[in-house]
Amino acid sequence: DAGVIQSPRHEVTEMGQEVTLRCKPISGHNSLFWYRQTMMRGLELLIYFNNNVPIDDSGMPEDRFSAKMPNASFSTLKIQPSEPRDSAVYFCASSFPPGNEGEKLFFGSGTQLSVL
Amino acid sequence: EDQVTQSPEALRLQEGESSSLNCSYTVSGLRGLFWYRQDPGKGPEFLFTLYSAGEEKEKERLKATLTKKESFLHITAPKPEDSATYLCAVLMEYGNKLVFGAGTILRVKS
Repeated sequence: DAGVIQSPRHEVTEMGQEVTLRCKPISGHNSLFWYRQTMMRGLELLIYFNNNVPIDDSGMPEDRFSAKMPNASFSTLKIQPSEPRDSAVYFCASSFPPGNEGEKLFFGSGTQLSVL
Repeated sequence: EDQVTQSPEALRLQEGESSSLNCSYTVSGLRGLFWYRQDPGKGPEFLFTLYSAGEEKEKERLKATLTKKESFLHITAPKPEDSATYLCAVLMEYGNKLVFGAGTILRVKS
């Protein structure tokens, strides 16, 4: 299995531009999570989905952030417009259904976002 | 407020020098406590899950233990390849949400 696949690995953009991060979870996993990691705040949960449905988006910083999961094998995190304070590493993670190692998260390699 | 606190922030060890990392938590309801390892430029990698006070798990030179208020990750005779950031995380009682601590950066010198 290829694991959780994120793209791009690095993204450099200018303030005000739209940024779209992509994630392909592990096949068979039904939960998907978007995390953001910075030196100041560590790993923060932004949003998570169960069976493609958003369950908890309380960590999404503001309306500039949106996430979708149109099917079980793909999710996007969009920032529009981007700001320098959005610079961070964004991780996607997925897990099996509860009761089958369901709480064990498998992380992708992350997208390093730099907003100039 | 739910909090997960790790100490120390950074730890330097000589190869073979055993030590422990601490993770203390104050949460309204705990369903499980997780330890992850993170190498530079990579996502966190799962190590252990602990579900109840008194539980212990071992993997090579690592042993994780859990009490009602904290968890320890004991590293016995570490090697340079154990150098990484170690993260603990708490699974809240309701939902499927993991709350992470800030991590401990471990450096093991040969």
